Amino acid sequence: DAKTTQPPSMDCAEGRAANLPCNHSTISGNEYVYWYRQIHSQGPQYIIHGLKNNETNEMASLIITEDRKSSTLILPHATLRDTAVYYCIVRVAQSNTGKLIFGQGTTLQVKP
Amino acid sequence: GAVVSQHPSRVICKSGTSVKIECRSLDFQATTMFWYRQFPKQSLMLMATSNEGSKATYEQGVEKDKFLINHASLTLSTLTVTSAHPEDSSFYICSASGGQVANEKLFFGSGTQLSVL
Repeated sequence: DAKTTQPPSMDCAEGRAANLPCNHSTISGNEYVYWYRQIHSQGPQYIIHGLKNNETNEMASLIITEDRKSSTLILPHATLRDTAVYYCIVRVAQSNTGKLIFGQGTTLQVKP
Repeated sequence: GAVVSQHPSRVICKSGTSVKIECRSLDFQATTMFWYRQFPKQSLMLMATSNEGSKATYEQGVEKDKFLINHASLTLSTLTVTSAHPEDSSFYICSASGGQVANEKLFFGSGTQLSVL
């Protein structure tokens, strides 16, 4: 079963920051937080992942709370192309064959 | 980043026939591959995990005799839907793991839309 909770949907204005929350209150010390997104009829696209420190890459920033029970994915300047379903997943890090279990995700609609 | 290629992207078949879907890792050796299924407006559901050279591990409720998985090499895994029926129509997606680091990124194929008539 998925170990994360996300709001089912969110809207964001084009050009503004999109902040997508995720709760993972039962996360274990060795589990990483991963974010993927899926645009209609395509395979999931990797966005970012982290353990306990905040992370940033060319796509997004990941803010993880100090207790690691929740995180926020930030798309700094959302575009219409960012409209997708965003999945927050926790994955066992000790096993390098750890599987990704998807929850229902958040459908982000970026509006002009 | 690592590339996972999936083929075909779309297939239409008659009920009772078998369909094979290929998943290839193009620039790394995939010790483990994962197969998912996704119905319209639903999330991805993990079907099975395959390790190179050994039998696949199926998730609860997934029929191993219906969904045959072969992972004979470090760059190729195949999923064969045997005796397909209309209820098997779905979007099938693979993911590949190189297994070299514990916190690696997992990359996904572009998916295969199967329609059984």
